[in-house]
Amino acid sequence: ETGVTQSPTHLIKTRGQQVTLRCSSQSGHNTVSWYQQALGQGPQFIFQYYREEENGRGNFPPRFSGLQFPNYSSELNVNALELDDSALYLCASSFGGQRNTEAFFGQGTRLTVV
Amino acid sequence: AQSVSQHNHHVILSEAASLELGCNYSYGGTVNLFWYVQYPGQHLQLLLKYFSGDPLVKGIKGFEAEFIKSKFSFNLRKPSVQWSDTAEYFCAVNGRGGATNKLIFGTGTLLAVQP
Repeated sequence: ETGVTQSPTHLIKTRGQQVTLRCSSQSGHNTVSWYQQALGQGPQFIFQYYREEENGRGNFPPRFSGLQFPNYSSELNVNALELDDSALYLCASSFGGQRNTEAFFGQGTRLTVV
Repeated sequence: AQSVSQHNHHVILSEAASLELGCNYSYGGTVNLFWYVQYPGQHLQLLLKYFSGDPLVKGIKGFEAEFIKSKFSFNLRKPSVQWSDTAEYFCAVNGRGGATNKLIFGTGTLLAVQP
């Protein structure tokens, strides 16, 4: 166990809907990153939050947005869902947005868009 | 362009066989390197990491990896695999001292170890 928890574990949504995924970071960690892992692919970086501010973003459209709360937990929001958004969404927590530290991953949320 | 290439998508070995999984990266600047493992139904776990120093790093469960800077490689090795090593293995890189801890992952290698 890494201490990083994600909810829900599975989710089915309809194209065009909106979804919110949640992540609780490991105790003592102030940085949360989100990744999308499509079937048969490695995780792709969506964005990172450090001390409640977005401090890095991958090649994802603006309909992917996020928040980080004062307790360093985080949400990933996806609007106007598309079929290609079906994937495993991973949250990773670490300490220090700019430091060379390892990231600890949660078990992920499996999102299916139909 | 920043990328990680894992040459083997599927590997099947018998127990006690030796393992080497290839990983090459393309990244401007100094890097940190990682191998993660994902056992069936479980979260991604860190096997080992290289930040600096000795290019031969040892990780958990008898795994090791060697950073060869001139070849932009970070291959994973284990002298004798066990059935419990069946999992998917991901090589990843990020920039040392970068603005984020953004990891760039390879596409993964699925390892099946036959008893």
